Amino acid sequence: EPEVTQTPSHQVTQMGQEVILRCVPISNHLYFYWYRQILGQKVEFLVSFYNNEISEKSEIFDDQFSVERPDGSNFTLKIRSTKLEDSAMYFCASSEALTGMKEGYTFGSGTRLTVV
Amino acid sequence: SQQGEEDPQALSIQEGENATMNCSYKTSINNLQWYRQNSGRGLVHLILIRSNEREKHSGRLRVTLDTSKKSSSLLITASRAADTASYFCATAGYNQGGKLIFGQGTELSVKP
Repeated sequence: EPEVTQTPSHQVTQMGQEVILRCVPISNHLYFYWYRQILGQKVEFLVSFYNNEISEKSEIFDDQFSVERPDGSNFTLKIRSTKLEDSAMYFCASSEALTGMKEGYTFGSGTRLTVV
Repeated sequence: SQQGEEDPQALSIQEGENATMNCSYKTSINNLQWYRQNSGRGLVHLILIRSNEREKHSGRLRVTLDTSKKSSSLLITASRAADTASYFCATAGYNQGGKLIFGQGTELSVKP
């Protein structure tokens, strides 16, 4: 069964450093998303991406965040200057149809980001 | 309460029993989805119900949707120890770029 692959699975970084989280969505999916889950809290939407541009972003997705699809397969989330409160599990997801109308969203296993 | 609130927050049952989880939401939706998350792992899509549907089945899962009450329920029949996980409802609205709004989740524990 097709999977969304995320790397790395764990990342520890110093406060103020830049991190890039990587994702390989399912090949025939057109819509891509980043979510995050702070330990013990609900899953929060960050951004959606379609046709090489951002479709929707949340208040969390401020100027320190950016997304990119640098080639035909990867989808990246960059955090420019990490803060302690950015520590969370970051999930990438993709879907064939908008709102996941066909078969929902496929999520990756996540990258656990720890900012120290 | 916030969009996508589940209750109960935690549910403990014996293997073989049925588990029912409820979800309420506030705004109009395009569809509602249920996801499962094993501890520290990714989210697995279970079932999607469209706003014009009232009930849907998939294997041991049954989901209902009442748009007049803005609520949904997920029933897992004949539960197994392997069903132990957190279950989240997530709503997709209109013209929101595919954003899903998740609830806090229900932590289900199925004892052998």
